Amino acid sequence: EVQLVESGGGLVQPGGSLRLSCAASGFTFSSYWMHWVRQAPGKGLVWVSRIHSDGNSANYADSVKGRFTISRDNARSTLYLQMHSLRAEDTAVYYCARDSSSGYTVWGQGTLVTVSS
Amino acid sequence: SYEVTQPPSVSVSPGQTASITCSGDKLGSKYAFWYQQKPGQSPVVVIYQDNKRPSGIPERFSGSNSGNTATLTISGTQTMDEADYYCQSWDSNTVVFGGGTKLTVL
Repeated sequence: EVQLVESGGGLVQPGGSLRLSCAASGFTFSSYWMHWVRQAPGKGLVWVSRIHSDGNSANYADSVKGRFTISRDNARSTLYLQMHSLRAEDTAVYYCARDSSSGYTVWGQGTLVTVSS
Repeated sequence: SYEVTQPPSVSVSPGQTASITCSGDKLGSKYAFWYQQKPGQSPVVVIYQDNKRPSGIPERFSGSNSGNTATLTISGTQTMDEADYYCQSWDSNTVVFGGGTKLTVL
């Protein structure tokens, strides 16, 4: 079964750091661009970042540039999002998603990040 | 930065046709994708590359994209289609989502 499972979310204080993980299974992880998309409570989807299949190229939304770093371990079929200098407005469910010419065809269940003191 | 705009809400009666628009500068020159999200669930792609339907998505879902507007059309809308719908496109190596449209079927 093709699957993405996120983990690592939780409560963190403003200015703190957190690392999210996304474990992939059921497909050849190293063949796909992978993305992070977030959704604040009751709000819409917002793209965060993407990384090339080989891990050598990445892009970020302006709102997270310089604070978040996307990476991947193809040997472990795992995607990461390292988040620093977290703000209240980063509070959201974070989804990892598999990219293809058919769009985001596989999504994880999401992991909730809450930034609050 | 590039933006795409959707109406916050659309209402439709069961069996009728629902149309959800997504507007952006020269959007017709880019691909548009549409996602359906029901409460507590992850999004599901219902239309890709403007007008293609993934396997498993009912034929009543269709899409078009021309000029500055992409449109998701649901023909013979069913109560199970009540959900949030998001359009998505690309601009300069970044992904853009619309703000989402809540489709109410009543």
